[in-house]
Amino acid sequence: KAGVTQTPRYLIKTRGQQVTLSCSPISGHRSVSWYQQTPGQGLQFLFEYFSETQRNKGNFPGRFSGRQFSNSRSEMNVSTLELGDSALYLCASSSGDISSYEQYFGPGTRLTVT
Amino acid sequence: QKEVEQNSGPLSVPEGAIASLNCTYSDRGSQSFFWYRQYSGKSPELIMSIYSNGDKEDGRFTAQLNKASQYVSLLIRDSQPSDSATYLCAVNVSWGAQKLVFGQGTRLTINP
Repeated sequence: KAGVTQTPRYLIKTRGQQVTLSCSPISGHRSVSWYQQTPGQGLQFLFEYFSETQRNKGNFPGRFSGRQFSNSRSEMNVSTLELGDSALYLCASSSGDISSYEQYFGPGTRLTVT
Repeated sequence: QKEVEQNSGPLSVPEGAIASLNCTYSDRGSQSFFWYRQYSGKSPELIMSIYSNGDKEDGRFTAQLNKASQYVSLLIRDSQPSDSATYLCAVNVSWGAQKLVFGQGTRLTINP
């Protein structure tokens, strides 16, 4: 099976702009989670989508939003970018079955805000 | 108090020895636990999952879980230089759904 794919891999944006990141999960996986990784804060949970519904949300401002499509692909949007949003954004997919909570990460999107 | 705590290291182990990585968590209701390996500049790679008290072995890796002590560990036997990486402990804190809380990671170096 192909792994989790994320596009774009690298992105440079200016403060105040918005950005949309895309994630395609492993075939058959219905759950997609998003994480932000920074040197100072480590890996932090943003939100999880399952069957097009947000099931969990982390402690991030409303500028961070997401959605999931019927084919399980997911997008994450950040509006009004701030310098502190510079980070590696990781998408992880899981089957969504209660028998397995294992999550598999994509390669990430490196966002730089200038 | 951080929800998941790990020694940040760095931890230095000679090649061929056993590397021992430890993690404690605060949410007593957590049911699933994971170890990820992350090489510099790469994304985390799942290496072990454990759901029940006791030991779980997979090749050179053994995960140990003690829910009463809220403690998870990872042992790497016959350590190789290719095991040098940051190891992340993760705990799923959401019942029936996905929400991983990660520790800060332990940087492990295997010395030839």
